[in-house]
Amino acid sequence: DGGITQSPKYLFRKEGQNVTLSCEQNLNHDAMYWYRQDPGQGLRLIYYSQIVNDFQKGDIAEGYSVSREKKESFPLTVTSAQKNPTAFYLCASGHTGELFFGEGSRLTVL
Amino acid sequence: QKEVEQNSGPLSVPEGAIASLNCTYSDRGSQSFFWYRQYSGKSPELIMFIYSNGDKEDGRFTAQLNKASQYVSLLIRDSQPSDSATYLCAGYGQNFVFGPGTRLSVLP
Repeated sequence: DGGITQSPKYLFRKEGQNVTLSCEQNLNHDAMYWYRQDPGQGLRLIYYSQIVNDFQKGDIAEGYSVSREKKESFPLTVTSAQKNPTAFYLCASGHTGELFFGEGSRLTVL
Repeated sequence: QKEVEQNSGPLSVPEGAIASLNCTYSDRGSQSFFWYRQYSGKSPELIMFIYSNGDKEDGRFTAQLNKASQYVSLLIRDSQPSDSATYLCAGYGQNFVFGPGTRLSVLP
């Protein structure tokens, strides 16, 4: 089936650790996005990529890093520099203006 | 700052009634508008998009766009308890801008 796969669904991290969230899509979309959602809040853009080997910062990129080595993959690393990383992370891909989301990864910092 | 605004709710309607969800946007460069439904703890799912002024209907859902007033709405007819969710409005110009969402509660 075509879709967007995020892993892991749930992740616990100790303070000071980097963690990487995986996002893979088989929809042949050029554009991929990472959003963060906090309880009761809307979606905030972390990073996006419109083509392989190129990506741009979104509104809240500090403390995060990404790579786009393949069209299908757009992993997000939450670094120890991110002060408040506990959140729901959503990966999305799209073309012609439509955006489709993965199931999300819930990160909790202990 | 490009913004999309929504009333956070909760908006409560009785089962079978029409639910009306509203959204305003600040970026006149936005070309397309999207409504996503998000159940608690789940990811958003696309339910409607609209890019021309006027109405667009899909089953029980009608999206309305008024570019002059920078206003987008979503009507849900014959509301069901399963429609209870948060509805996110998003505009797309150079990139997507999401509103904070309106929480809808349909009471049996």
